[in-house]
This record gives sequence, C-alpha cells and structure tokens, in this order.
Amino acid sequence: AQTVTQSQPEMSVQEAETVTLSCTYDTSENNYYLFWYKQPPSRQMILVIRQEAYKQQNATENRFSVNFQKAAKSFSLKISDSQLGDTAMYFCAFILTGAGSYQLTFGKGTKLSVIP
Amino acid sequence: EPEVTQTPSHQVTQMGQEVILRCVPISNHLYFYWYRQILGQKVEFLVSFYNNEISEKSEIFDDQFSVERPDGSNFTLKIRSTKLEDSAMYFCASKIGSTDTQYFGPGTRLTVL
Repeated sequence: AQTVTQSQPEMSVQEAETVTLSCTYDTSENNYYLFWYKQPPSRQMILVIRQEAYKQQNATENRFSVNFQKAAKSFSLKISDSQLGDTAMYFCAFILTGAGSYQLTFGKGTKLSVIP
Repeated sequence: EPEVTQTPSHQVTQMGQEVILRCVPISNHLYFYWYRQILGQKVEFLVSFYNNEISEKSEIFDDQFSVERPDGSNFTLKIRSTKLEDSAMYFCASKIGSTDTQYFGPGTRLTVL
C-alpha cells in the first residue's frame, strides 16, 4: 500500500516571501505521479502541480515548483512570492500509473497562512 | 474551461434517510471517482467507476453506498441509510484516461443530524 506523509500540519509565510512544504511518500512501485492540490476555505480541491516519476526535471507552474527526489521519496512544494490568495490547505497526493483507474492517496495536509 | 459540477452544494438530512449526491463529470472523461473528507481530516478514496462498473472501492464503501451513471452525463453516489459519521464533504472527480490528472468538483457538504 502507498502512504503519503506531510510532517508540517501548519506553516506561515510573509507575503512576497518563499515557503517550502514537505511531503514524503512510500511505495514499492516505480511508475507513479505526484500532485499538490490546494484547498482554500471554500474547500474546493484545486490542482497546483503534477510530477511524473519518470521525469528527472522538476515541474514548475508559475510561482509554484517542486523538488522531486525519487531516491529519497521526497516531493516538496516551493511557493515563491507568496500571495494572500495562497492561504489554503495543501495536500500532497500520489497515484500509480498504468492500465487501471487508480485512486489518489492523500497526505493529511499542511495549512498555509500567508501573512500581510 | 470545462469543469466537474456537483449538486447540491450542501445537503442536510436526518439519520437513517437516503441521500443521493449528484455529479456531472467533464464530458469526455472516462474515469469517475468519489472521495470524502471528514472535517479536519484528509481526503479519502471511496470508489472508482469505469466502463459502467465499479473498478475499485475502499473499505469505507460498504453496502450502504452505491454509485450509478444513469445517463451519459450524471454520476451519482447514494447512501441508503445515513449515519452521523457520514457527515463529510463528498468530492466527485473525473479524468480522461488512466494516466491523466483527476479533476475535482466543488464538493457536496453532507450533514447528518
């Protein structure tokens, strides 16, 4: 079974600063994707960024980037130039790939507060 | 941009009653999911649906739960006899193919009294 661990229940960052959220995962499989989802107070789940395990290059999406360390099974999210709208719960998630309708496995989340 | 929609946004029901939560996945998507999130906890997988049948389900998805795709657009989750512990946010998600990203709907908040 796959597990996802987010060791930081809460974090805060000053507006315009950079913050890094941690995520580790455990799997014996080799083919998978990793995601960060954002959940603002509205509680909608919004995709932030995705990383395919077979890609060595770290994914980036505007102010969001990841540090994917496959050997260490680590997948951290860096948010640059933090904005007030970044205040949300952030969930790290894992999914196996290949033929099938695989489920997402989520971590417990990190609550990020951006302070003006 | 197409998106997953869910209705109602909030459902309040009495314990023991049946509820049906509705989802309209993105139109060309083939894989459908239900997840739930109890307040303050992580998102948990309930069931996946492909080719008009359940492909995977979790331990949470017991005989009180069922899913259906009654027509070409809707995907429903039925809870036959609700319990207090069914109170949660229920998310529908869909994706095009087996290796694609799942896109989530806005959720239905279910409150069982």
